[in-house]
Amino acid sequence: SAVISQKPSRDICQRGTSLTIQCQVDSQVTMMFWYRQQPGQSLTLIATANQGSEATYESGFVIDKFPISRPNLTFSTLTVSNMSPEDSSIYLCSVDGTSGRASETQYFGPGTRLLVL
Amino acid sequence: QKEVEQNSGPLSVPEGAIASLNCTYSDRVSQSFFWYRQYSGKSPELIMSIYSNGDKEDGRFTAQLNKASQYVSLLIRDSQPSDSATYLCAVGIQSGGFKTIFGAGTRLFVKA
Repeated sequence: SAVISQKPSRDICQRGTSLTIQCQVDSQVTMMFWYRQQPGQSLTLIATANQGSEATYESGFVIDKFPISRPNLTFSTLTVSNMSPEDSSIYLCSVDGTSGRASETQYFGPGTRLLVL
Repeated sequence: QKEVEQNSGPLSVPEGAIASLNCTYSDRVSQSFFWYRQYSGKSPELIMSIYSNGDKEDGRFTAQLNKASQYVSLLIRDSQPSDSATYLCAVGIQSGGFKTIFGAGTRLFVKA
């Protein structure tokens, strides 16, 4: 399985500011996803990060609020913009298989714990 | 209606017993089904995947799938305290590309 790292691991931010979360994978992967997990809740898919094109957002999530980049097959960023306390959550990057061997199994990064004051 | 439904629990079983976790899904085009385990403060990790009707066994874990009833379950035999975690049922669907929908999870406590 791929080894996935996320930066930062946690942060405390003021409302109205933005935070960019990085996701790095140790091998090329086909698909990268960004999830949010609020306290005591399950995972909610924010978007699929597409290499070389705009991300595909799920209902309720928009690019202006959660801009995503994926410049290559091993790296992606998620920005949480104009934050409010409701954005306090764990943000998880996940990947799906390796390039050329698409797999439906997902592997998750360690997560970024965000608290917005 | 939620796409993937699970009993939130907590489900409490004694050590050595069988833990039975259940999940129903609403999307009939779902083709792949997964169970993930999530320890408190950690990320989810895959336990089992199942793609066809019937049972699939892997060590102490057995996944069961019934597509006609839109039902998938996970049995944990000889439950151990280390199995105490939240178990997430997940369903893979093709909708403008593949994506995975997660249930809310069932919290399992195995009492020593």
